[in-house]
Amino acid sequence: SQKIEQNSEALNIQEGKTATLTCNYTNYSPAYLQWYRQDPGRGPVFLLLIRENEKEKRKERLKVTFDTTLKQSLFHITASQPADSATYLCALGNLWRDDKIIFGKGTRLHILP
Amino acid sequence: GAVVSQHPSRVICKSGTSVKIECRSLDFQATTMFWYRQFPKQSLMLMATSNEGSKATYEQGVEKDKFLINHASLTLSTLTVTSAHPEDSSFYICSAVDAEAFFGQGTRLTVV
Repeated sequence: SQKIEQNSEALNIQEGKTATLTCNYTNYSPAYLQWYRQDPGRGPVFLLLIRENEKEKRKERLKVTFDTTLKQSLFHITASQPADSATYLCALGNLWRDDKIIFGKGTRLHILP
Repeated sequence: GAVVSQHPSRVICKSGTSVKIECRSLDFQATTMFWYRQFPKQSLMLMATSNEGSKATYEQGVEKDKFLINHASLTLSTLTVTSAHPEDSSFYICSAVDAEAFFGQGTRLTVV
């Protein structure tokens, strides 16, 4: 069955450093991989999408890499800030209409001041 | 940007009663919406795909008679938890896709 694993349940990073989160998947060939942010008691918010033929995507302080050979994505937050503290979810699927998204458990990121 | 509105945000109900959760796409039409459930420290688990004008598609292990889904219009899908039990207490989230996936705020259901 399809399986998505995120590297750790919780991650503590000192403010100003780069936070790196890992997402691995098995038994799946996604056309896209996505990262979401979820704050407590809220729904997920879309951050970045990377396609299978792309190796890297950037958005402001965020960077995502996608290695379809390793079946892995890395999510980086540079110059991290306490406001970046949240749970980050990796998700696989398509964003074409009518398709479903499969989520990992998420990694709770704490940026320490 | 596109917004999905979910209501109510919190609900407490007695065991054995039914609860309805609404999911609306506010500025786009969604022929398909998705319903997820999230238990504490767990991932979002897809429960069902709601299709406008037709029957919902349920994921394996999800009881369709317990979680009734109605997608009567292109902007509204409802999830009704029937004869709720304490083990149904969870965070329920809906989603609709318009170029990217948009999620509702979620509904915290507590069954006492």
